[in-house]
Amino acid sequence: QKEVEQDPGPLSVPEGAIVSLNCTYSNSAFQYFMWYRQYSRKGPELLMYTYSSGNKEDGRFTAQVDKSSKYISLFIRDSQPSDSATYLCAMSARSGSRLTFGEGTQLTVNP
Amino acid sequence: IAGITQAPTSQILAAGRRMTLRCTQDMRHNAMYWYRQDLGLGLRLIHYSNTAGTTGKGEVPDGYSVSRANTDDFPLTLASAVPSQTSVYFCASSDSSGSITDTQYFGPGTRLTVL
Repeated sequence: QKEVEQDPGPLSVPEGAIVSLNCTYSNSAFQYFMWYRQYSRKGPELLMYTYSSGNKEDGRFTAQVDKSSKYISLFIRDSQPSDSATYLCAMSARSGSRLTFGEGTQLTVNP
Repeated sequence: IAGITQAPTSQILAAGRRMTLRCTQDMRHNAMYWYRQDLGLGLRLIHYSNTAGTTGKGEVPDGYSVSRANTDDFPLTLASAVPSQTSVYFCASSDSSGSITDTQYFGPGTRLTVL
């Protein structure tokens, strides 16, 4: 069983929809949680990071962490075609240490 | 500021040939990483280096070697390429100073095809 599970999709939504992306994990030592966005034929870029449980909001993006359920989410409000990308969750036990990645979810936002 | 550069952008290689993928960062990060990304498997860590002069094995190190002679460069070598090493390779770096903002920044990738 993988340490981090992420539905690869693909996920297709109309412009303006609310998108929910999720990951589950099995390692209770994970404390740092990140979401990366990867456009086609590009390297992943950091989108959001959170520490421990709780919510973090940045513009149209909200990251949630529920450590009791070992479940993290990324919500995208008012989705735009420019949000079309693969979203990867990543996590680590301590800041700056090696990351464990989910497989990535491919998202398409249709105009 | 360029961040992380990788070369070549893409390469087709005959099986059995030796190949070195280059990675350079200008952020003075102490830690560097090599990943491969494959459909259905996501990003898997090949080798890493916490600081210049040290290296370590990741999840899938077999068939690959690395060196870290200085802070900026972290080349990945395939001594004798095999078709199963066909993949997209990403180099990454992080500051690893203990701050919550320590995270990994990725290069643009090298697409390698081994025939």
